[in-house]
Amino acid sequence: KQEVTQIPAALSVPEGENLVLNCSFTDSAIYNLQWFRQDPGKGLTSLLLIQSSQREQTSGRLNASLDKSSGRSTLYIAASQPGDSATYLCASDNAGNMLTFGGGTRLMVKP
Amino acid sequence: GAVVSQHPSRVICKSGTSVKIECRSLDFQATTMFWYRQFPKQSLMLMATSNEGSKATYEQGVEKDKFLINHASLTLSTLTVTSAHPEDSSFYICSARIGGPGDSPLHFGNGTRLTVT
Repeated sequence: KQEVTQIPAALSVPEGENLVLNCSFTDSAIYNLQWFRQDPGKGLTSLLLIQSSQREQTSGRLNASLDKSSGRSTLYIAASQPGDSATYLCASDNAGNMLTFGGGTRLMVKP
Repeated sequence: GAVVSQHPSRVICKSGTSVKIECRSLDFQATTMFWYRQFPKQSLMLMATSNEGSKATYEQGVEKDKFLINHASLTLSTLTVTSAHPEDSSFYICSARIGGPGDSPLHFGNGTRLTVT
């Protein structure tokens, strides 16, 4: 059974810092890995999806990498802003058409 | 982009009553939809996979008689929490996908906050 772990569980940084969120998974037989953002009391917003054959994806200030062999993905946020404050979730998409979520990283960017 | 609409966004009900939550794919057809539950400060847990025209597949530990799922059309799936109790209070989120696994990302509704008093 796939297990997804996110470290750290919470992170507080000053505005402008570059930061890295980590995601690890136990079963490397994934179709893709997806990063989401969740604001308090809200649903999920898909940020980036990395196919199993890809190494990274970029969108604006966000860059996600995938290393299947080591079971790791990272989300890099450049020049963080207070508006980036949210919970970031990674999820692996395994055979069976379902996602397994990590516990999330609660990010606070202070002005 | 693909949009998933979930309704209602917030509901408060009394213990023992039933609550229906709707999940609609607005601009695409979804043969499969997923229902997740999220307790405070915890991640999402898959409850069930809803397949159009057939019975839903429930995850271990999820009571199928309590959480009734109906996926009668390619754009609508409903989750009914029957005889709700305070421990059912949670954040319920649905999602849907265009295409099969790995083809495209899952799109999520905005969630329904259920409070059972």
